Amino acid sequence: SQQGEEDPQALSIQEGENATMNCSYKTSINNLQWYRQNSGRGLVHLILIRSNEREKHSGRLRVTLDTSKKSSSLLITASRAADTASYFCATDAVGAGSYQLTFGKGTKLSVIP
Amino acid sequence: EPEVTQTPSHQVTQMGQEVILRCVPISNHLYFYWYRQILGQKVEFLVSFYNNEISEKSEIFDDQFSVERPDGSNFTLKIRSTKLEDSAMYFCATPPTPRETQYFGPGTRLLVL
Repeated sequence: SQQGEEDPQALSIQEGENATMNCSYKTSINNLQWYRQNSGRGLVHLILIRSNEREKHSGRLRVTLDTSKKSSSLLITASRAADTASYFCATDAVGAGSYQLTFGKGTKLSVIP
Repeated sequence: EPEVTQTPSHQVTQMGQEVILRCVPISNHLYFYWYRQILGQKVEFLVSFYNNEISEKSEIFDDQFSVERPDGSNFTLKIRSTKLEDSAMYFCATPPTPRETQYFGPGTRLLVL
């Protein structure tokens, strides 16, 4: 089954606006991590939220987790052009023998100056 | 933030040739992972490595792939006889302990012609 599906697939906003990306998954998880990837570059870790946590903040980032709905959201407030990137959620599923991450397809965010 | 390094950053090879991708994990990290990302697609787990042996591998990780930690610092992924469909970005990742943040290297972009 698919694990970690983000929506929307693409999002275009004006600088200064907030951006919200959602992630759904199918199996029970230990934790969920959000990553950012600039075009053709590496994966930059943003936030890890554990299954017993509901919300975490880091600077302009806010992540929520609803395990009953098997979903998470990433909110970027006061977006900047430099936030333009693809954003991925990745889950560490219960039962994944070596805690490997399962990634979604990502949301491509464009922030227009 | 701790840094994982990978070499080379880019590699072009002919189909059927062997390639070795190298990773220098964060010191004191004991769990190592390889992932790949075909252009425009999601990041996929290949293999995990702990205590000098493979912990788990995906169906992608067939007999053409191998991993080793030859000298206690480098962590390598070898593809014995490359195929066109092996063209992808390959990422190494390490967490400090299982279920913690996985720190990704910048990736090696492999192009098989």
